Amino acid sequence: ETGVTQTPRHLVMGMTNKKSLKCEQHLGHNAMYWYKQSAKKPLELMFVYSLEERVENNSVPSRFSPECPNSSHLFLHLHTLQPEDSALYLCASSQDVGGGLRDGYTFGSGTRLTVV
Amino acid sequence: GENVEQHPSTLSVQEGDSAVIKCTYSDSASNYFPWYKQELGKGPQLIIDIRSNVGEKKDQRIAVTLNKTAKHFSLHITETQPEDSAVYFCAASIDFGNEKLTFGTGTRLTIIP
Repeated sequence: ETGVTQTPRHLVMGMTNKKSLKCEQHLGHNAMYWYKQSAKKPLELMFVYSLEERVENNSVPSRFSPECPNSSHLFLHLHTLQPEDSALYLCASSQDVGGGLRDGYTFGSGTRLTVV
Repeated sequence: GENVEQHPSTLSVQEGDSAVIKCTYSDSASNYFPWYKQELGKGPQLIIDIRSNVGEKKDQRIAVTLNKTAKHFSLHITETQPEDSAVYFCAASIDFGNEKLTFGTGTRLTIIP
């Protein structure tokens, strides 16, 4: 256990469903991230939150909606997804934005999402 | 923006032999280069990093080298063991302010017993 916990570990959803991914960290970090990991592609940064405020949104489709109610919790709300959205979704945290470059990012184990 | 290329995409090495993974980057301003290891069913974990004021860094059986002129850096694993089997990602960034990492595409390393 790295200190970043993601639930669920696996999720299968239809294209018309609505679901949410959850990430929790108790490392005292102030920055949290959502990454998408697809086969044979680099990790794609989706969203960055610093002290519950979204600081970056990398042109992610609106069918992905993040929420950060406090510095320990991060959600990714999903609706009307497409099959190409199937991937491993990783949550990460760091002391602060840019702090990841000093102490590294701590990643969760990810949620394996399959859209059918 | 930064672009990071990583080779090879897969690598099989006999246990006890050495493994080398190479990355190139495009932005000459990048000065921070971490390596992450991702084991099956887990998220990536930082294993070693290097900054541009250093040419080489070692930590037990792993080492990273950096050639700023050529804009490439490499991960070296010596005396490989079965637990080294994983996917390895390189990354690059400018260590300033809110800069974030650009990752390579990953190398799947398999250690053959």
